[in-house]
Amino acid sequence: EAGVAQSPRYKIIEKRQSVAFWCNPISGHATLYWYQQILGQGPKLLIQFQNNGVVDDSQLPKDRFSAERLKGVDSTLKIQPAKLEDSAVYLCASTRGLQRGSSYEQYFGPGTRLTVT
Amino acid sequence: SQELEQSPQSLIVQEGKNLTINCTSSKTLYGLYWYKQKYGEGLIFLMMLQKGGEEKSHEKITAKLDEKKQQSSLHITASQPSHAGIYLCGAVPLIQGAQKLVFGQGTRLTINP
Repeated sequence: EAGVAQSPRYKIIEKRQSVAFWCNPISGHATLYWYQQILGQGPKLLIQFQNNGVVDDSQLPKDRFSAERLKGVDSTLKIQPAKLEDSAVYLCASTRGLQRGSSYEQYFGPGTRLTVT
Repeated sequence: SQELEQSPQSLIVQEGKNLTINCTSSKTLYGLYWYKQKYGEGLIFLMMLQKGGEEKSHEKITAKLDEKKQQSSLHITASQPSHAGIYLCGAVPLIQGAQKLVFGQGTRLTINP
């Protein structure tokens, strides 16, 4: 079974530029998550999709961040315009689905390391 | 909101020594997950605990969840260089409908040969 794929692995941009990240979850996984991990901190959930619908985007800075999962499979996360504080690793994760009482084991991709200068 | 506090924040041990990492929650946990992260890579699932008093082991790593389901520990026996990395605890908030993980800040483990 192929894992969660992310691209690019690394990205360096200047502040005020735009950037997009791509994630392809494990085949058949209905739930997809985007996390932001700042150096020295744990991952923080940005947005959660169930198929192509948004379940939770309460911590997504919507003035500059956007995400979509149009066909319920792969997803893109965009930052426009980027700020210095957006420098972080952006992690994508997926699970089979949302079933209360079952395991929420999430499978993570390798992440995209973003540096904003 | 659910908050997780990990201790210590960093740990340096001699190869072969035992060590323990703790994860404390401000609220009762629905489930507690342990992940390991190597620098520049994603998170690798280690174990999940759900019941008060539960204990699970995999190779030389043992994780426990206390009876009140507010504290968990991860114990490594006879540490090896392959154990080095960042250990993260994650929890599902005990909120109806919540289906996300909240993570601690991580513990960076270094193993000296």
